[in-house]
Amino acid sequence: KNEVEQSPQNLTAQEGEFITINCSYSVGISALHWLQQHPGGGIVSLFMLSSGKKKHGRLIATINIQEKHSSLHITASHPRDSAVYICAVRRETSGSRLTFGEGTQLTVNP
Amino acid sequence: DAGVIQSPRHEVTEMGQEVTLRCKPISGHNSLFWYRQTMMRGLELLIYFNNNVPIDDSGMPEDRFSAKMPNASFSTLKIQPSEPRDSAVYFCASSLALYNEQFFGPGTRLTVL
Repeated sequence: KNEVEQSPQNLTAQEGEFITINCSYSVGISALHWLQQHPGGGIVSLFMLSSGKKKHGRLIATINIQEKHSSLHITASHPRDSAVYICAVRRETSGSRLTFGEGTQLTVNP
Repeated sequence: DAGVIQSPRHEVTEMGQEVTLRCKPISGHNSLFWYRQTMMRGLELLIYFNNNVPIDDSGMPEDRFSAKMPNASFSTLKIQPSEPRDSAVYFCASSLALYNEQFFGPGTRLTVL
């Protein structure tokens, strides 16, 4: 079993829909990252969080440390949100090393 | 401000050849990370530096891989000799400090024939 599990693996939505991507992990962590990888391959860091909730534009990330679970929400989704979303955790015992989930492929249709 | 710069963007080489990938971190960032991404294994950390010093190289697959950071504005990842299984996208990322948000470069797509 992977230390970081994402669901769903693939997600197709219609423009305007509210989207949720989930990340569960099985180890103690000091931080969790959400990354976005565009079809062209570039990776952008969306959030780094260790507790609570963060919001940036239409994106919201939440984390529940006790339940070892994080969610990434996209409100009013748009075709330009189509990308792979990757969850990564920094384990308490591994310094700055990140452990990555397998990613969620999101497609938003117009 | 320029982001993380990587070169080359694409590299095609033959098995057995030496390959050198280059990275310029964001100015003022003290930590630099090298990652590899493949379809089979996803993203993997190879090595990271803090203040030009290698901190953790446990992700370097074997002795054919080496990385250096001679100064705060430049790092190289070298593969010698290269093998077809090294074909992947190699990303460099930098952060202000070890535990800060990481900013990724555009990646180098390496194909070893």
